[in-house]
Amino acid sequence: EPEVTQTPSHQVTQMGQEVILRCVPISNHLYFYWYRQILGQKVEFLVSFYNNEISEKSEIFDDQFSVERPDGSNFTLKIRSTKLEDSAMYFCASSSQMGETQYFGPGTRLLVL
Amino acid sequence: GDSVTQMEGPVTLSEEAFLTINCTYTATGYPSLFWYVQYPGEGLQLLLKATKADDKGSNKGFEATYRKETTSFHLEKGSVQVSDSAVYFCALNRKNNNDMRFGAGTRLTVKP
Repeated sequence: EPEVTQTPSHQVTQMGQEVILRCVPISNHLYFYWYRQILGQKVEFLVSFYNNEISEKSEIFDDQFSVERPDGSNFTLKIRSTKLEDSAMYFCASSSQMGETQYFGPGTRLLVL
Repeated sequence: GDSVTQMEGPVTLSEEAFLTINCTYTATGYPSLFWYVQYPGEGLQLLLKATKADDKGSNKGFEATYRKETTSFHLEKGSVQVSDSAVYFCALNRKNNNDMRFGAGTRLTVKP
């Protein structure tokens, strides 16, 4: 069964450093998403991406964040200058159409020290 | 805005007990409703879904019915197992929108 994969599973970084989280969505899906879950809190939407551009983003997704689809398979989330409060689990998801079921990856746990 | 409210946990049950996790939603229009499950150390897995009123989603013995009149999507299972121990998330997605809205999650622990 096709699945969304994410790398790395864990990342530890120093405050102010840049991090890139990687995702491989399900191959025939067209819509891609990033969510985050701060420990003990809700899963929160960050951004959606379609046709090589951002289609929606939340207030959380400020100028420190960017997304890219550098090739036909990968979808990345970059945090330019990490802050302590960026520590969270980051989930990638994909769907075949807008409003359809989103399938989630296993997540990347980011710890900013 | 759209939101999901689900029963606060944690919930602790004995094996073979009946499970209900309540979920209600607020949304404009008619969203699709989902239950996702997160097993320890793993990501979010789709458990079941319903896309219109009175639909019943079911999977692995779990069921939830989309009730428009009560704006609810309660998760039920007749006989839980230790392996059902996980965090359960209720979520909604509007058909013309990209951002899923999640409830806070309910941690279920099933004891032998």
